[in-house]
Amino acid sequence: QLHLVESGGGVVQPGRSLRLSCVASGFSFSRYGIHWVRQAPGKGLEWVAMISHDVVNEHYAASVKGRFTLSRDNSDNTVFLHMNNLRPEDTGIYYCARDLYATTVTTVGYWGQGTLVTVSS
Amino acid sequence: QSVLTQPPSVSGTPGQRVTISCSGSRPNIGSSYVNWYQQLPGTAPKLLMQRNNERPSGVPDRFSGSKSGNSASLAISGVQIEDEADYYCAAWDDSLSGVVFGGGTKLTV
Repeated sequence: QLHLVESGGGVVQPGRSLRLSCVASGFSFSRYGIHWVRQAPGKGLEWVAMISHDVVNEHYAASVKGRFTLSRDNSDNTVFLHMNNLRPEDTGIYYCARDLYATTVTTVGYWGQGTLVTVSS
Repeated sequence: QSVLTQPPSVSGTPGQRVTISCSGSRPNIGSSYVNWYQQLPGTAPKLLMQRNNERPSGVPDRFSGSKSGNSASLAISGVQIEDEADYYCAAWDDSLSGVVFGGGTKLTV
């Protein structure tokens, strides 16, 4: 059964860094792109970033470009979201999600349960 | 401001037909498939409709999707109390090179 488990969330001061992890199981991890989507408290969904199955393509939302980076370890079925220079507006639940189709990057398919990031002094 | 535009809320009584609209532009809805997500209170979103009008396995057939030009819609025929949730449309945006979401629509039954 397909599973995505996020971890690494917590409370962090503005300007500091945090690394989120997404561990996958139940599918051929190296064939699928992974997305991160966040949701501020009481707000809607905002796509953050994605990394392709082969690490050739990475794309970032304008709101995080230059501050967030992605990496993945296909031998460990894990994707990392490295978040630097965090701002209060980065607060929210961060979901990792698998692309719906193999080797593509355009469709957020299966979602994890999310991890909460709070940026506050 | 979301790139895709949805009504903030819709409502209906059990058994009614309810529709949720999603308006975009040529780089997103006009060029890509539209997908819909359902988020029940306190839970993670779930894919409800893929490629404009394809229901993933397990999604009841009272849900249907359509797309025309730069707009799309989700219809629920015979809405049920358990359908009360937030609904989001999304599409790939060629000019932004990313996925764009609508602001979400809260369905009250």
